[in-house]
Amino acid sequence: SQTIHQWPATLVQPVGSPLSLECTVEGTSNPNLYWYRQAAGRGLQLLFYSVGIGQISSEVPQNLSASRPQDRQFILSSKKLLLSDSGFYLCAWKLGNQAGELFFGEGSRLTVL
Amino acid sequence: AQSVSQHNHHVILSEAASLELGCNYSYGGTVNLFWYVQYPGQHLQLLLKYFSGDPLVKGIKGFEAEFIKSKFSFNLRKPSVQWSDTAEYFCAVTPTGFQKLVFGTGTRLLVSP
Repeated sequence: SQTIHQWPATLVQPVGSPLSLECTVEGTSNPNLYWYRQAAGRGLQLLFYSVGIGQISSEVPQNLSASRPQDRQFILSSKKLLLSDSGFYLCAWKLGNQAGELFFGEGSRLTVL
Repeated sequence: AQSVSQHNHHVILSEAASLELGCNYSYGGTVNLFWYVQYPGQHLQLLLKYFSGDPLVKGIKGFEAEFIKSKFSFNLRKPSVQWSDTAEYFCAVTPTGFQKLVFGTGTRLLVSP
């Protein structure tokens, strides 16, 4: 069966520090991968998605970047965090370019102080 | 801009009351439609989905949703809610191409016993 893991679960970082959130999927190959940010009253905002290794689509301009160095690994990064980057980040996957549901990780709570 | 709209941000009901949560989207062409639920302290899980066929879709825990193409709507319903239905509910749409899932802002449902 397929599983998705993301870490760390909780992170407290000072303004201006770098960020790296990691997400890995097991039990499938060539998945579509997604990073969402969940904020109260604003739902889930799609940040990035990837349909293959090295292929990244950015949905909103921001202080964050994403990379997919391996088929089942998706990384969310920042060189210098801003206060506004605080939030709950969710990684998700789905099967390729076909109709289907997303499966979500447990989420990472980022607090920037 | 293309989007997914959920009309109610907060809903408070008593047990056994009927529930209807509205969802409208603005994408043309073929779409896939979803309702996700997030119970307190838990991660997102799929409640139901519509890909094609019968526009009345039945999901888990007695929930159902009706796809009305002419109204660009996919409202969620349950005839009689329970205290355990207290959660946040998200409508989501996959536009043509099936690459990304766009979420509404969510509806927080509180069911009082």
